[in-house]
Amino acid sequence: KAGVTQTPRYLIKTRGQQVTLSCSPISGHRSVSWYQQTPGQGLQFLFEYFSETQRNKGNFPGRFSGRQFSNSRSEMNVSTLELGDSALYLCASRKGSRRENTEAFFGQGTRLTVV
Amino acid sequence: GDSVTQMEGPVTLSEEAFLTINCTYTATGYPSLFWYVQYPGEGLQLLLKATKADDKGSNKGFEATYRKETTSFHLEKGSVQVSDSAVYFCALRGREDDKIIFGKGTRLHILP
Repeated sequence: KAGVTQTPRYLIKTRGQQVTLSCSPISGHRSVSWYQQTPGQGLQFLFEYFSETQRNKGNFPGRFSGRQFSNSRSEMNVSTLELGDSALYLCASRKGSRRENTEAFFGQGTRLTVV
Repeated sequence: GDSVTQMEGPVTLSEEAFLTINCTYTATGYPSLFWYVQYPGEGLQLLLKATKADDKGSNKGFEATYRKETTSFHLEKGSVQVSDSAVYFCALRGREDDKIIFGKGTRLHILP
């Protein structure tokens, strides 16, 4: 069974540009969450999607957005990149609804460097 | 809001030493508790979990017990190996929310 796949693994962008990251969850999983990992702030929740609907959102500016497709694949977009957006972005997938106490599986992440 | 506090690292031990990484949490209700491990250049792997008070999660020789009275979930291993060198994250997930709250992480170095 394939795990959570994130593409690309590494990305270098210039300040002011925008970027789109992709996450393919484990087959059959409908919940996808995104996290930002930085040395200073640690792991912070960005947002969560379930059945194409954003169900929860963390405390990030509107430059960070996401969406989920009917096949559960998710994309995360960051516009007007800032140096501080340099981070490892992790995607996690879970099988079902909140009432199903299932564990989250993480991908290997996309390392974004903003120069 | 909910939060997780874990001991600062790095922690350096010799092979076969006993390991404890302390973790305490603040949460409303009855969260699920987790330990994740991150190896260099990798994502997070779930190490163990506990979903209710007094549950003990265990995996690969690691153990942690959900202590509601002390709001703790300390990670222990009786005899560490060099291959255990990694960053360990304590985390919780509330009942009403899929958001996972992580501690800052503890870097563990095991010397041969």
